[in-house]
Amino acid sequence: DGGITQSPKYLFRKEGQNVTLSCEQNLNHDAMYWYRQDPGQGLRLIYYSQIVNDFQKGDIAEGYSVSREKKESFPLTVTSAQKNPTAFYLCASSIVGRGQVYGYTFGSGTRLTVV
Amino acid sequence: ILNVEQSPQSLHVQEGDSTNFTCSFPSSNFYALHWYRWETAKSPEALFVMTLNGDEKKKGRISATLNTKEGYSYLYIKGSQPEDSATYLCAFIRGGGADGLTFGKGTHLIIQP
Repeated sequence: DGGITQSPKYLFRKEGQNVTLSCEQNLNHDAMYWYRQDPGQGLRLIYYSQIVNDFQKGDIAEGYSVSREKKESFPLTVTSAQKNPTAFYLCASSIVGRGQVYGYTFGSGTRLTVV
Repeated sequence: ILNVEQSPQSLHVQEGDSTNFTCSFPSSNFYALHWYRWETAKSPEALFVMTLNGDEKKKGRISATLNTKEGYSYLYIKGSQPEDSATYLCAFIRGGGADGLTFGKGTHLIIQP
């Protein structure tokens, strides 16, 4: 079955360490997105990519970095510069130009806790 | 940053009753409005994608309407069942649609048997 895989589900890191969250999709979607959820907040866009080797900052990109070397993969690195990294992270994908018609497909998320 | 508001934040409904909740969004530069259902421990699932003013969409007991001129959408659930318990998210895309969805905080719906 096609879908999006995020790993791991739970991740613990010490403060000051960089950590990379994995997102892989086998839907042949061109566009991929990273969102962050905090208690009492809506999902907020961190980064997005509409094509391989290109990506754009979302609303809260500071302290994060991404790469898009392959169509299937869009890893997110939470750097030590991110002041409040503890959060739930969701990855999504869509058909470029048609995500607006068919909707996004989401992964099941990674809960990151920094201690 | 765009402002997408959902109300109420949470809702308890008796099984068998019907209910509805609201999403408001910027009325200018509209491109599309999405509704998602997010059950605990699962991924958000697309319910509706709405693009035209006056759109009405239906999936089983759930339906949605769209008013782009005044910037609101309603989601209706008829004859609520326990499996309807979830958080319902709406999300807005502005003109051009290139830069991702902006989400509301969601309405958390609990159906009581």
